[in-house]
Amino acid sequence: EADIYQTPRYLVIGTGKKITLECSQTMGHDKMYWYQQDPGMELHLIHYSYGVNSTEKGDLSSESTVSRIRTEHFPLTLESARPSHTSQYLCASSDLFPQGGNTEAFFGQGTRLTVV
Amino acid sequence: DAKTTQPPSMDCAEGRAANLPCNHSTISGNEYVYWYRQIHSQGPQYIIHGLKNNETNEMASLIITEDRKSSTLILPHATLRDTAVYYCIVRLQYNFNKFYFGSGTKLNVKP
Repeated sequence: EADIYQTPRYLVIGTGKKITLECSQTMGHDKMYWYQQDPGMELHLIHYSYGVNSTEKGDLSSESTVSRIRTEHFPLTLESARPSHTSQYLCASSDLFPQGGNTEAFFGQGTRLTVV
Repeated sequence: DAKTTQPPSMDCAEGRAANLPCNHSTISGNEYVYWYRQIHSQGPQYIIHGLKNNETNEMASLIITEDRKSSTLILPHATLRDTAVYYCIVRLQYNFNKFYFGSGTKLNVKP
């Protein structure tokens, strides 16, 4: 079992609200990622981080922002939610310098966001 | 990272082996083949990865052709719980960037 947790699992919120999706991992991984996935569609990388105080934008443009103040925590924030932000958001983590060749990423269960 | 091509869907009878193919004809010499699966409404789960030798673990086997342009994931005894979307990904082992997930193969395991 992977030790990476996302909260909430489901969120329905009104347009214009500020929201923060939480992601925490207890594996001590340096790298963390946020992906966005629409139903039945591909995962698209929207943000990633190499470690504390490092954040980078992914391939898919997103109005969300992220922060990495602690190694284990990588929250994603939408300042003003819109219906176009409705999607599933997946958080993942992996070792930056993996020992023993364990280079795979571990994913959280995801947050399904609906903006009405 | 090299792109991959997978069939959109496959059916398999419960208890039989499921063989999921993947083409990665543009793979470079230092890129690995990774397999993940995603069960409905959950995050992707790592299955196996390899470079050029065949690999086996408790979940599956990975067969990579000698020219490395294609591979096959084998689930030896598929169960109903193996119904999921399976993603084949090609990437550098220490790619400090991203995992590129294509559209994957939807495996339907039927009783």
